[in-house]
Amino acid sequence: NAGVTQTPKFQVLKTGQSMTLQCAQDMNHEYMSWYRQDPGMGLRLIHYSVGAGITDQGEVPNGYNVSRSTTEDFPLRLLSAAPSQTSVYFCASSYPIPGQGSDTQYFGPGTRLTVL
Amino acid sequence: GIQVEQSPPDLILQEGANSTLRCNFSDSVNNLQWFHQNPWGQLINLFYIPSGTKQNGRLSATTVATERYSLLYISSSQTTDSGVYFCAARSGTYKYIFGTGTRLKVLA
Repeated sequence: NAGVTQTPKFQVLKTGQSMTLQCAQDMNHEYMSWYRQDPGMGLRLIHYSVGAGITDQGEVPNGYNVSRSTTEDFPLRLLSAAPSQTSVYFCASSYPIPGQGSDTQYFGPGTRLTVL
Repeated sequence: GIQVEQSPPDLILQEGANSTLRCNFSDSVNNLQWFHQNPWGQLINLFYIPSGTKQNGRLSATTVATERYSLLYISSSQTTDSGVYFCAARSGTYKYIFGTGTRLKVLA
């Protein structure tokens, strides 16, 4: 299994440009999520999905859109990039552990985005 | 929403030393996880531990849910333990809240 993959690894955008960060997992996980990591602030949840066709907002959803048309893919779209969106973006997937009501998260390698 | 605080923010150890990292959370949780982010940025799941104690090699974790804290113990630290340790908590929905992390540096 490749696990959770993210593309691209690095990206530089100009203010106002749009782009899509790709995330894919091959573990048949129901749950997928996007986080951003800023220096000194830990990870903050942007959007998440509990299954194909179902998405919801996290802590910091403004400026980002998501969709989940398949179990495997969960792209994150920046509609009009702003310097405040300069960050490292992580995608994660997880599955419920039967009998424990829990799930364990697996993270992709991250995308480092700079908005000029 | 739930708040998660970690301490200490930074820690420097000599190789072979032991350490304890703390995670406090503001509300009851149904999921508490510890992660290690290595110097290359990769996040690795260490423990799922909403309550009780677990051990994995030189690492162990204890969560006292009634007192709203979790501890991560690292024994006989090695340089490869360097990085940032995060705890993340979830209460109710799928939304995980991460602490700001403890940055650990182990010196040879």
